[in-house]
Amino acid sequence: AQTVTQSQPEMSVQEAETVTLSCTYDTSESDYYLFWYKQPPSRQMILVIRQEAYKQQNATENRFSVNFQKAAKSFSLKISDSQLGDAAMYFCAYRANSGNTPLVFGKGTRLSVIA
Amino acid sequence: DAGVIQSPRHEVTEMGQEVTLRCKPISGHNSLFWYRQTMMRGLELLIYFNNNVPIDDSGMPEDRFSAKMPNASFSTLKIQPSEPRDSAVYFCASSLFAGNSPLHFGNGTRLTVT
Repeated sequence: AQTVTQSQPEMSVQEAETVTLSCTYDTSESDYYLFWYKQPPSRQMILVIRQEAYKQQNATENRFSVNFQKAAKSFSLKISDSQLGDAAMYFCAYRANSGNTPLVFGKGTRLSVIA
Repeated sequence: DAGVIQSPRHEVTEMGQEVTLRCKPISGHNSLFWYRQTMMRGLELLIYFNNNVPIDDSGMPEDRFSAKMPNASFSTLKIQPSEPRDSAVYFCASSLFAGNSPLHFGNGTRLTVT
């Protein structure tokens, strides 16, 4: 069974600084997708960024980027120029590309942004 | 696009009562997922449907939980009888039938069983 591990329950960053959230996963599949979701206090689940495992290039979305290391099964999220609105729970998720399968989530990292 | 719509947003009930949570997926999405979120266990998959057919319900905690999807635009999650340990946030999500399609989540139902 696939598992996703986020080893940092909590992180903090100063406003305008950069922070990296860690995620590792375990799978025997070769074709899969990885996602980062943000959950602010409103509890809405918001997609931040996605990565296809067959792509070597790391995905970027404005201030958000990933460092995808397929051999190491690592998928970290980097937030640049952190803003107060970035404070939230961040979840890493995995989805196999075999049929239509659900997302497997990590336990999450709570990010605080200090003004 | 209206997004995934869940109701109610909050539900408070007494132990032993029946609870029904409702979900309307995004039109055109053919997969629907029910997740439960608690502090202790994080986000757990309860059940998911493809084209209205239940595919995997191994995450449903016990027989008190049941889910249906009578058509492509509606699903329910029922707990009967409810217990205090069922207190959690329940999310419904939908997606297209493709691995790279992200799940789109509703705003969740916060269930409190007293």
